[in-house]
Amino acid sequence: DIQLTQSPSTLSASVGDRVSLTCRASQSISSYLAWYQQKPGKAPHLVINKASTLESGVPSRFSGSGSGTEFTLTISSLQPDDSAIYYCQQYDVYPYNFGQGTKLEI
Amino acid sequence: EVQLVESGGSVVRPGGSLRLSCAASGFTFEDYTLSWVRQVPGKGLEWLSNINWNGGSRGYADSVKGRFTISRDNAKNFLYLQMDSLGAEDTAWYFCARDNVIGYHYFDSWGQGTPVTVSS
Repeated sequence: DIQLTQSPSTLSASVGDRVSLTCRASQSISSYLAWYQQKPGKAPHLVINKASTLESGVPSRFSGSGSGTEFTLTISSLQPDDSAIYYCQQYDVYPYNFGQGTKLEI
Repeated sequence: EVQLVESGGSVVRPGGSLRLSCAASGFTFEDYTLSWVRQVPGKGLEWLSNINWNGGSRGYADSVKGRFTISRDNAKNFLYLQMDSLGAEDTAWYFCARDNVIGYHYFDSWGQGTPVTVSS
């Protein structure tokens, strides 16, 4: 199975900061990586697919980059509403694993 | 508006069985592969299973293979997860999710989840 390792586990930042979250895969997954945002008591919400494609309706301050084994989710100017846990997910091969998550505190 | 609504979660004894349902609306159900994902409270997400549009292709995570069975009813717009031989490790919130229509297995819509507790 492909393992996804996210770092950091927790990130504390302030409104207006630029932050980057990392997801590393145990083997190459090309660009088959998605990012989700999950707020307490809610289902995950898709933010980015294919490593860098922003989902419709997601603010443009979110961006994704990377390919192969290393990926980054960047939020350019943090807003209070961005406080959440962010998960990466690979969909290159079965099973479609998730990373363990990064908790973003603002 | 796409809607996925899970039901069927409850408290069940170890070794027992449970069937979860997911009612879909707002999209052409048979066009999509669908998945189940679970989450232990306070923990991460675990993909469990998916089923293609006509049920001809199904995949399972090793943790549930042989115990869980995914199925769908395209006439009723329902997705199901039959869970057998349940253990404490299966206690979690269970989400149904819609795979991307193009065939990539990321999840563009999710239900609100249904809780399953396995306890004596």
